Amino acid sequence: ETGVTQSPTHLIKTRGQQVTLRCSSQSGHNTVSWYQQALGQGPQFIFQYYREEENGRGNFPPRFSGLQFPNYSSELNVNALELDDSALYLCASSSDPTWEETQYFGPGTRLLVL
Amino acid sequence: GENVEQHPSTLSVQEGDSAVIKCTYSDSASNYFPWYKQELGKGPQLIIDIRSNVGEKKDQRIAVTLNKTAKHFSLHITETQPEDSAVYFCAASRTDTGRRALTFGSGTRLQVQP
Repeated sequence: ETGVTQSPTHLIKTRGQQVTLRCSSQSGHNTVSWYQQALGQGPQFIFQYYREEENGRGNFPPRFSGLQFPNYSSELNVNALELDDSALYLCASSSDPTWEETQYFGPGTRLLVL
Repeated sequence: GENVEQHPSTLSVQEGDSAVIKCTYSDSASNYFPWYKQELGKGPQLIIDIRSNVGEKKDQRIAVTLNKTAKHFSLHITETQPEDSAVYFCAASRTDTGRRALTFGSGTRLQVQP
């Protein structure tokens, strides 16, 4: 196990609602990245937070937003949920992105939008 | 942006045989190539990674090779065991942008028949 934890494990929402997912990074890691994994596909990069600042973003609309807290835990917020947002949301923690590439993933939060 | 293609999508081998999974990438600036194993209901687990200044890396039954000229890298698993059955993902990233956004392949479902 990586030491990266995510909550909740499963979530069901309806279209138009908002959702907040949470991630606790591995001890000693100050960087958290979020990925979306649709069924049967590889994870896709949403954004990365480093020392409480957004440090890069993938091809996702502004209704996907995030936060990182002083203890380096992180939240992913999705507004105006759409059916296509149904996926496994993964967070990955790592050390300083300027010199360490290795990312360790949590177990994910499975989101179902009805 | 980076594009990673992975083949085959499914692979079935007999226990004790070798398995090979191949990936190609498009961005010549990519210099970090991890491989992840994902079991049902779990997040991706890093099994091996390679950096661009190395052509081959081995860890017990697992090895990865990298050909930077051809922009492809491969995962080799020898003496496969039933517990190797899972979905395997290759990924690539570049380290010159100050962030670590992994671009994943589409995955290979490996089935090891006892």
